[in-house]
Amino acid sequence: KAGVTQTPRYLIKTRGQQVTLSCSPISGHRSVSWYQQTPGQGLQFLFEYFSETQRNKGNFPGRFSGRQFSNSRSEMNVSTLELGDSALYLCASSVAESTDTQYFGPGTRLTVL
Amino acid sequence: AQSVTQLGSHVSVSEGALVLLRCNYSSSVPPYLFWYVQYPNQGLQLLLKYTSAATLVKGINGFEAEFKKSETSFHLTKPSAHMSDAAEYFCAVSPVSGAGSYQLTFGKGTKLSVIP
Repeated sequence: KAGVTQTPRYLIKTRGQQVTLSCSPISGHRSVSWYQQTPGQGLQFLFEYFSETQRNKGNFPGRFSGRQFSNSRSEMNVSTLELGDSALYLCASSVAESTDTQYFGPGTRLTVL
Repeated sequence: AQSVTQLGSHVSVSEGALVLLRCNYSSSVPPYLFWYVQYPNQGLQLLLKYTSAATLVKGINGFEAEFKKSETSFHLTKPSAHMSDAAEYFCAVSPVSGAGSYQLTFGKGTKLSVIP
């Protein structure tokens, strides 16, 4: 089975722009979660989608949004980028339940200049 | 709210020595517990997880962890370190039910260095 794929792997944007990141889960997985990883704050939960519905949301401003499509692929969008949004954005997929293993993709490295 | 504390942001061990990475959680109800490893420029890989079955959990690559409710701990151990174990390790928790289910709360991570 192919693993979780994330595109693009690297991205450079300037302040004020918006960005869309994509995540394709493992085949058969219906839950997709997004995490932000920075040296200062570590790994922080953004949101989780299951069957196209946001089931859980972390403590991030409304500039961060996401969605999930009927094939379970997910996108996250960040509008009005700030320097502090520079981070590794990780996507993880699981079958459905909270006990299920979350399988992580390699991440998208976003740099905001 | 749940939280995770990993003692020691950096740990160095000699090759062949015992690896011990500490993790303590804060939760009113015992949560699900996980250990992940991250190699440079890669995502996270699950080493092992505790989901209220056996308290001693065996994972991949020779790692194991023991859930101790009385100490609110879930320390990761490996009897003999290999050079390939050098990486960053993250302890994470997830509530069993209710608010916050399906999300992982991570510790700050521990970078493990293995000295030849």
